[in-house]
Amino acid sequence: DGGITQSPKYLFRKEGQNVTLSCEQNLNHDAMYWYRQDPGQGLRLIYYSQIVNDFQKGDIAEGYSVSREKKESFPLTVTSAQKNPTAFYLCASSPSFGEQYFGPGTRLTVT
Amino acid sequence: GDSVTQMEGPVTLSEEAFLTINCTYTATGYPSLFWYVQYPGEGLQLLLKATKADDKGSNKGFEATYRKETTSFHLEKGSVQVSDSAVYFCALSSPEYSSASKIIFGSGTRLSIRP
Repeated sequence: DGGITQSPKYLFRKEGQNVTLSCEQNLNHDAMYWYRQDPGQGLRLIYYSQIVNDFQKGDIAEGYSVSREKKESFPLTVTSAQKNPTAFYLCASSPSFGEQYFGPGTRLTVT
Repeated sequence: GDSVTQMEGPVTLSEEAFLTINCTYTATGYPSLFWYVQYPGEGLQLLLKATKADDKGSNKGFEATYRKETTSFHLEKGSVQVSDSAVYFCALSSPEYSSASKIIFGSGTRLSIRP
């Protein structure tokens, strides 16, 4: 089955700790994306990557970091510098100029 | 810059009612238009799309027509079901955004269907 997997579905961390969210796709898509969604809100783009070893900041990149060492994988690290990290995080992928396909999301709670 | 505006929710309807969720856009060039649906606690799923003017996207009884003259892409369904309760996002993607299909999303419209 082709698709996008995100793990874990729920993640709990203490304030001041860095945490890495996993995103894997087996759709052979070139581009991958990370979004943040807050309750009752739309999606805000954090980072995106068009090819391996390259990525660009989105609208709210501060306090986040990413890597793209393999085509299939695009992990997101939420650092301690992110002031309000509790949110629902969505990963997506797309072929060039195509629609985006989303993973099931990871709900991060930082206390 | 490019933007998408969709009607604010929540929208509450009775089962079998007719649904319209309005969406208008501002874009340079000729964008592709999408409707995504998000069920509680899940990621977004592509519901339908249209890539050029006058195209009609359709899926699962939902339809939307790409209207360039009114810059609109309204979502419609003739008879809604309780299982259609979800948040619906209108979105656009423009080839102006280099090779990645960067998508601009609307703020979402929450739809609740009463039995």
